[in-house]
Amino acid sequence: GNSVTQMEGPVTLSEEAFLTINCTYTATGYPSLFWYVQYPGEGLQLLLKATKADDKGSNKGFEATYRKETTSFHLEKGSVQVSDSAVYFCALTNPIQGAQKLVFGQGTRLTINP
Amino acid sequence: NAGVTQTPKFRVLKTGQSMTLLCAQDMNHEYMYWYRQDPGMGLRLIHYSVGEGTTAKGEVPDGYNVSRLKKQNFLLGLESAAPSQTSVYFCASRGGWETQYFGPGTRLLVL
Repeated sequence: GNSVTQMEGPVTLSEEAFLTINCTYTATGYPSLFWYVQYPGEGLQLLLKATKADDKGSNKGFEATYRKETTSFHLEKGSVQVSDSAVYFCALTNPIQGAQKLVFGQGTRLTINP
Repeated sequence: NAGVTQTPKFRVLKTGQSMTLLCAQDMNHEYMYWYRQDPGMGLRLIHYSVGEGTTAKGEVPDGYNVSRLKKQNFLLGLESAAPSQTSVYFCASRGGWETQYFGPGTRLLVL
């Protein structure tokens, strides 16, 4: 079946540090990959996505590259800010299954200290 | 354009009570979804709908029922609440190949 595994949290960094949150997936065929962000007390928002191998999604300084050979979609940001403190979810959809159902990782809580 | 809204925001139930969570979207989306979010487990799909009048089971459907009588609304029902259903519930909608848009969530506590 389809599954997503994220690095264990919580992650605590200082402002302007480099961020990497690891994400690997298991899926048949050619899934689409997503990163969602959840700010405190809010619903999930799409941060970025990639729909085919070697695609790079980017938004708000965050980037992730779809690596089919390593089945990974790691999230990176060169210089984090306090406002980036949130929970980050890696997810996939698999066209084989239809209905574009999202399969989520367990989430990684990120805290940025000033 | 309010996007996806959920009612209520917070509810406390006693074991065995029933309730309905309402999700509404104003984007004319065909697809709607109900998820639950539990600590350390991400979001898990409860039920979903691919259009008005249709529903289907997701990953964790037991103890829940849903209805999609109108395209803009997707209702999630708990007939006899159990403490294991304490969770945060999120609704989402999607049109075509677009992104899923999430509501703000409903926090449910079952005592």
